[in-house]
Amino acid sequence: GAVVSQHPSWVICKSGTSVKIECRSLDFQATTMFWYRQFPKQSLMLMATSNEGSKATYEQGVEKDKFLINHASLTLSTLTVTSAHPEDSSFYICSARDNAAVAFFGQGTRLTVV
Amino acid sequence: AQTVTQSQPEMSVQEAETVTLSCTYDTSESNYYLFWYKQPPSRQMILVIRQEAYKQQNATENRFSVNFQKAAKSFSLKISDSQLGDTAMYFCAFMKQGAQKLVFGQGTRLTINP
Repeated sequence: GAVVSQHPSWVICKSGTSVKIECRSLDFQATTMFWYRQFPKQSLMLMATSNEGSKATYEQGVEKDKFLINHASLTLSTLTVTSAHPEDSSFYICSARDNAAVAFFGQGTRLTVV
Repeated sequence: AQTVTQSQPEMSVQEAETVTLSCTYDTSESNYYLFWYKQPPSRQMILVIRQEAYKQQNATENRFSVNFQKAAKSFSLKISDSQLGDTAMYFCAFMKQGAQKLVFGQGTRLTINP
């Protein structure tokens, strides 16, 4: 199957700082990528849909100004958590779909805000 | 809106046994895709199996097979000859044809005991 690489795998940052997470499709072009948040022992919660060359579409209740998404190329989307606070600590996962409508997922990023 | 329900929060079986995970969904669409994803302790989401709704034949992938009952809106996953490495969270997911988003169930935590 297709490969999606997410970096970093884990990050610890101080409260008030910003953190950028990268998501790359390594062997296919992805016009659309997705960002999820997962709380412990829960399912994936879709945060936003990232479209190459245009603005992201955010799910209801997700703060656009806090979670900045950029999809500058067909293989890279980034999620920036701005002015991070401890309540932003979570597991963030990206995914990208191939031409067969199958979603492949990155390894996830564990963010801890101290 | 589509919904996906996994009624078994946790399951546990002995190694080499067969186990079936249940999934039901609600939709008014006639063309859609169904998926089972596995999330092991590493938290990497891995595609297990995929089914197109227009196909009557149940999908199979080695030890994994599905029982797709379109009229009943049921999509169960059978794991034969279970192995320790099958221990994971399993998520059922729905995507209507032409859509971008996956709709996930709540997940079933499966433990394979030696």
